Amino acid sequence: EAQVTQNPRYLITVTGKKLTVTCSQNMNHEYMSWYRQDPGLGLRQIYYSMNVEVTDKGDVPEGYKVSRKEKRNFPLILESPSPNQTSLYFCASSLLPSGTGPRETQYFGPGTRLLVL
Amino acid sequence: AQSVTQLDSQVPVFEEAPVELRCNYSSSVSVYLFWYVQYPNQGLQLLLKYLSGSTLVESINGFEAEFNKSQTSFHLRKPSVHISDTAEYFCAVSGVGGFKTIFGAGTRLFVKA
Repeated sequence: EAQVTQNPRYLITVTGKKLTVTCSQNMNHEYMSWYRQDPGLGLRQIYYSMNVEVTDKGDVPEGYKVSRKEKRNFPLILESPSPNQTSLYFCASSLLPSGTGPRETQYFGPGTRLLVL
Repeated sequence: AQSVTQLDSQVPVFEEAPVELRCNYSSSVSVYLFWYVQYPNQGLQLLLKYLSGSTLVESINGFEAEFNKSQTSFHLRKPSVHISDTAEYFCAVSGVGGFKTIFGAGTRLFVKA
């Protein structure tokens, strides 16, 4: 079954304790992206990746890191989480035909709900 | 850079009534436009998208949206809603040749019996 998986689904942590949220897709998609969803703000893009070893900042990258060492995986790293990073996080992936930009359907994971105390 | 404005945060409507969810965007380049739907406690799913060609696009479950370049709008409509359409709907835009996707704040559609 084609899917995007995220782990963990729920996480409670404390300020400053490093954490990683994993994201994996089995559709051989080039494009992967992380979003955070907050009430009244919709989804805001944190980072995206056009392919292995190619990443770039979205609109709200502060406090986050990503890596793309393999095509299927795109982990989100919070080196020193703070309470303002409490949010619902979504990973997404899509095809990225050369030169066309993100015109393809994005497939979303089930979300990771993070609470930073 | 692009931006998206969804003009209504909540839209209550009775079952079998028509509905319109409004979306306006701004961009200095040509755009691709999307509507995604999020059912409670789930991730987002694509509802429909405009890439080029016909300005009216349709989904398999009766929704349609029309791209209006002069008004920079991409409103979503359905002539008769069902209880099962209760969800949050997000309008999104990405610029041709770019790599970012910008989402609106979402419109919560609540269909009442």
